Amino acid sequence: GENVEQHPSTLSVQEGDSAVIKCTYSDSASNYFPWYKQELGKRPQLIIDIRSNVGEKKDQRIAVTLNKTAKHFSLHITETQPEDSAVYFCAATWSGGFKTIFGAGTRLFVKA
Amino acid sequence: EPEVTQTPSHQVTQMGQEVILRCVPISNHLYFYWYRQILGQKVEFLVSFYNNEISEKSEIFDDQFSVERPDGSNFTLKIRSTKLEDSAMYFCASSETSGAYNEQFFGPGTRLTVL
Repeated sequence: GENVEQHPSTLSVQEGDSAVIKCTYSDSASNYFPWYKQELGKRPQLIIDIRSNVGEKKDQRIAVTLNKTAKHFSLHITETQPEDSAVYFCAATWSGGFKTIFGAGTRLFVKA
Repeated sequence: EPEVTQTPSHQVTQMGQEVILRCVPISNHLYFYWYRQILGQKVEFLVSFYNNEISEKSEIFDDQFSVERPDGSNFTLKIRSTKLEDSAMYFCASSETSGAYNEQFFGPGTRLTVL
């Protein structure tokens, strides 16, 4: 069935450094790839997304890249700040958008 | 800014009891979803709902679960005969469209504890 693999499970960086989180998906029919940030005890919040007809998208310190051939997509956070510390989930949407599969999450620690 | 709301925020129930979790999606949204997140684990898709019927469901969403849109604003998840392993945070989400423009907005969640 559909699956999304996410790595690493934990990532610790110094403030100001970059962080990269990688995901792969199994089904080439997926067409939409959102990234969510979840702080402790809170709801997942969309931070950036990318559609299958685009290879890269950037929003200030956050960027996402998509390689459809390899079925890889990645989140890049530059100039990390302590408030970036959270769990980040990648996801992929199938079947006309009715089903979204999440990766296992990456716990990001940004050390001041 | 409009938000998805959920009630209750925390529900404690005895094993074998039925629970109903309630959600009010954003008013102009047409697609509705339920997800589950066991503590410390990933968000798991349960079901999507459009035009008063289930569009897609996961293998988790068995006969124990049902969804309903009883009126123009509420979207409910019913769990019959709860089990210990149903303890989790349940998130409702809604989106205006589906497919490639499927930005889903999540509610704050209901924490279900089954004793």
